[in-house]
Amino acid sequence: AQSVTQLGSHVSVSEGALVLLRCNYSSSVPPYLFWYVQYPNQGLQLLLKYTSAATLVKGINGFEAEFKKSETSFHLTKPSAHMSDAAEYFCAVSLSGNTPLVFGKGTRLSVIA
Amino acid sequence: DTGVSQDPRHKITKRGQNVTFRCDPISEHNRLYWYRQTLGQGPEFLTYFQNEAQLEKSRLLSDRFSAERPKGSFSTLEIQRTEQGDSAMYLCASSSGGASGTDPYEQYFGPGTRLTVT
Repeated sequence: AQSVTQLGSHVSVSEGALVLLRCNYSSSVPPYLFWYVQYPNQGLQLLLKYTSAATLVKGINGFEAEFKKSETSFHLTKPSAHMSDAAEYFCAVSLSGNTPLVFGKGTRLSVIA
Repeated sequence: DTGVSQDPRHKITKRGQNVTFRCDPISEHNRLYWYRQTLGQGPEFLTYFQNEAQLEKSRLLSDRFSAERPKGSFSTLEIQRTEQGDSAMYLCASSSGGASGTDPYEQYFGPGTRLTVT
């Protein structure tokens, strides 16, 4: 069975500060990993994905994530937070990108001016 | 390509009533997924289709829930005899499976249908 743990249900950062959202996964097979963002009253939008190629993955809006097998982690980072980054972020794992996703509980990011 | 659409966006119903939701995937996407999201939680998988075939159902999908995808295009999710615990956001997503050279790994989500059972 696969699972995802997101550490911290709420993270608050100042505008311009580093954003770090943590995700640890459990999978019996090499995983496919994803980060999605959800703005209020909207669906989910894919930020980036890891599909067993490069371990450092760059996504949209300046976000990136690094797959670390030894730590079973896939943390999301952004060097400088912007007010528009305030949203709910979900880490997800699947057996392949084309099978159902298993999501974490989400981390709400607040950006303070 | 207009994205994944869902109808209705909001539904308020009384306990015991039946409700049906519709999802229109991105055209030519052969896989369609249903997820349920409750307040403060991540989406949870309910069921998915490849074309018209239902490939998997979560144990979350009780006998009161049924989904179908006739002709492999749009899909419907029906909940019979609704309960207050069914109140949630119901999300639909589709993926191409790699058809037409598109990214096989991305699931595109619709805006969701928010169900409130009173």
